[in-house]
Amino acid sequence: QKEVEQNSGPLSVPEGAIASLNCTYSDRGSQSFFWYRQYSGKSPELIMSIYSNGDKEDGRFTAQLNKASQYVSLLIRDSQPSDSATYLCAVNRDDKIIFGKGTRLHILP
Amino acid sequence: DAGITQSPRHKVTETGTPVTLRCHQTENHRYMYWYRQDPGHGLRLIHYSYGVKDTDKGEVSDGYSVSRSKTEDFLLTLESATSSQTSVYFCAIKGLAETTDTQYFGPGTRLTVL
Repeated sequence: QKEVEQNSGPLSVPEGAIASLNCTYSDRGSQSFFWYRQYSGKSPELIMSIYSNGDKEDGRFTAQLNKASQYVSLLIRDSQPSDSATYLCAVNRDDKIIFGKGTRLHILP
Repeated sequence: DAGITQSPRHKVTETGTPVTLRCHQTENHRYMYWYRQDPGHGLRLIHYSYGVKDTDKGEVSDGYSVSRSKTEDFLLTLESATSSQTSVYFCAIKGLAETTDTQYFGPGTRLTVL
C-alpha cells in the first residue's frame, strides 16, 4: 500500500460547482496534512494545511481531516477555470513530507 | 516567495558525466529537501538535510549524493548521470507558516540526460 494515495483523475467539474478531492494515507502516526496546487511546468504551492480532525476553511477552500479513517479531503467551492491544476496531498512523517501522485482537476467553462 | 532559488534552471548533459544542482535559500531555514518529479510517480524525496553537515536519505537516494556546508546552500550531485535521472528536480525548505511543518518549493531544475 502506498503511503499517500490519490485518484489521478482527471476530475472534470463545471465552473461554479464544488470540486471534491480525496486522499488516504497509511501511517496512523502522521500528524500534519497538506494540500498543494501545481500548475503545469510550475512548482507546487501550498494552499491548505490541517492538523486536527474536522474542517478548516480558507476562502473557497475547505480541508477535511478524519484521522480514524486516515482520510483527507479538499473541497473547492465556486470552482473557477484558474483552479484547473494538479492537486497534491502530502503527509508529514518524522522530518519528511510524503506526497501522493496528485489529482488532475479540470474546470469546465 | 520563500526566498529559494535553484541553479541551473535547465541542463542537458550526457550519460556518465557528473552533475551538481544547487539550492540556495535566504531565510536561514534548518531543513532543506531535494525531490524529483516524474510523470506517474509524483514527487519523490531524494535526500534531505536537517542542518549543516547533517543529511539523510529519502526513498530514491541511489545514484545521488548531497552536501550542506552552509545553512543557505544544499547541493545535489549525480556522480555519473544516467538517462533514468532525467527529471524535474525541486528543492524545498521547511519554513514558518502556521507551524514549522510546511514546505515551500523552489522553481525547479529540468535535467535531461542523453
